[in-house]
Amino acid sequence: NAGVTQTPKFQVLKTGQSMTLQCAQDMNHEYMSWYRQDPGMGLRLIHYSVGAGITDQGEVPNGYNVSRSTTEDFPLRLLSAAPSQTSVYFCASSTQGQGGYEQYFGPGTRLTVT
Amino acid sequence: LAKTTQPISMDSYEGQEVNITCSHNNIATNDYITWYQQFPSQGPRFIIQGYKTKVTNEVASLFIPADRKSSTLSLPRVSLSDTAVYYCLVGDGYGGATNKLIFGTGTLLAVQP
Repeated sequence: NAGVTQTPKFQVLKTGQSMTLQCAQDMNHEYMSWYRQDPGMGLRLIHYSVGAGITDQGEVPNGYNVSRSTTEDFPLRLLSAAPSQTSVYFCASSTQGQGGYEQYFGPGTRLTVT
Repeated sequence: LAKTTQPISMDSYEGQEVNITCSHNNIATNDYITWYQQFPSQGPRFIIQGYKTKVTNEVASLFIPADRKSSTLSLPRVSLSDTAVYYCLVGDGYGGATNKLIFGTGTLLAVQP
């Protein structure tokens, strides 16, 4: 199993550009989520999904869209990049229930918006 | 939405036992308590999870009192490689509108030789 994979590892965008961060998992997990982590800060939940076709907002959803057309993939789309979105983005997956038992995190995407 | 409160930082020395306490006064009946470890430039890694009383695995123990309003992560005989940020999460894992898996600010544990 590859676990949770994220692409790209690094990305530089100009203000106003859009892009999609990719996330995939091969563990057949129902629950997937996206977090952002700013330097020296904790993780903040952007969006999450409890299954294919179902998504919901987290703590900081503005400026981001998600979709979940398959169990395996959960892409995060930045609509119009802003410098405030400079951060490290982590995707995670887990089985549902029982406290979201053992979320598996991807290696992260380091995004810089200039 | 169950929120957690942890100390911002803790210091320890190699070989000591470290106890990190997390407060979660609004924990719900179906909520589990989960702890993660994060090293710089890496995603968090699951350490341990529990619902009540005590849970132990090969790396840590988790103590949960009867009222479940707090929990304590215990790391026995820490080493330099245990220097990391430790997060406590509370939730039922179903990601419902009122119960998302939210990370708190975490506790930075610094282990010195």
